[in-house]
Amino acid sequence: NAGVTQTPKFQVLKTGQSMTLQCAQDMNHNSMYWYRQDPGMGLRLIYYSASEGTTDKGEVPNGYNVSRLNKREFSLRLESAAPSQTSVYFCASRNPDTYQETQYFGPGTRLLVL
Amino acid sequence: DQQVKQNSPSLSVQEGRISILNCDYTNSMFDYFLWYKKYPAEGPTFLISISSIKDKNEDGRFTVFLNKSAKHLSLHIVPSQPGDSAVYFCAASEDSNYQLIWGAGTKLIIKP
Repeated sequence: NAGVTQTPKFQVLKTGQSMTLQCAQDMNHNSMYWYRQDPGMGLRLIYYSASEGTTDKGEVPNGYNVSRLNKREFSLRLESAAPSQTSVYFCASRNPDTYQETQYFGPGTRLLVL
Repeated sequence: DQQVKQNSPSLSVQEGRISILNCDYTNSMFDYFLWYKKYPAEGPTFLISISSIKDKNEDGRFTVFLNKSAKHLSLHIVPSQPGDSAVYFCAASEDSNYQLIWGAGTKLIIKP
């Protein structure tokens, strides 16, 4: 049981390049999330998916797209990377059948855009 | 405007003593509060939570207190141990809302 996995762990991009961050969970959770964390700030929600086939914007969606490929996988795509997207990206999942709002996080992807 | 604030970026505590981490919020609609712990190069991990119908929740060495009138919650760690050194995030949510709103975190350093 690996929990939430993310690939890659670290990536350097040039401005204008594109890339996809991958996330998978093996806990059979319905809800999945993408966050970014910047120095001195809390985690900010980019997009979330309440269930397979649905996605919704979070607090900071501009410049990103997502795909909920199936129940396990939720990917985040940067179509044209900008230096402002330099950040650490975390994927999380949650089972909304429980009242608790507990989210389980992956180890993060550190992205540097030059 | 930050809805969840952790005003202390860092806190240093002697091993064995009590660590108190504080969190303030502005949204009176929040009804569920969580604390997460984060080590370097890892994702946050859930620590303890409290719903707005309670004013205290305890789990081993960790206790969370909620003061709804003051819109304030605190995390107490007793006794503090070296492994508690980490960044602690406070987060809050409204009922039926998928989104957690996060504070900026407090770095706790436990001195031997």
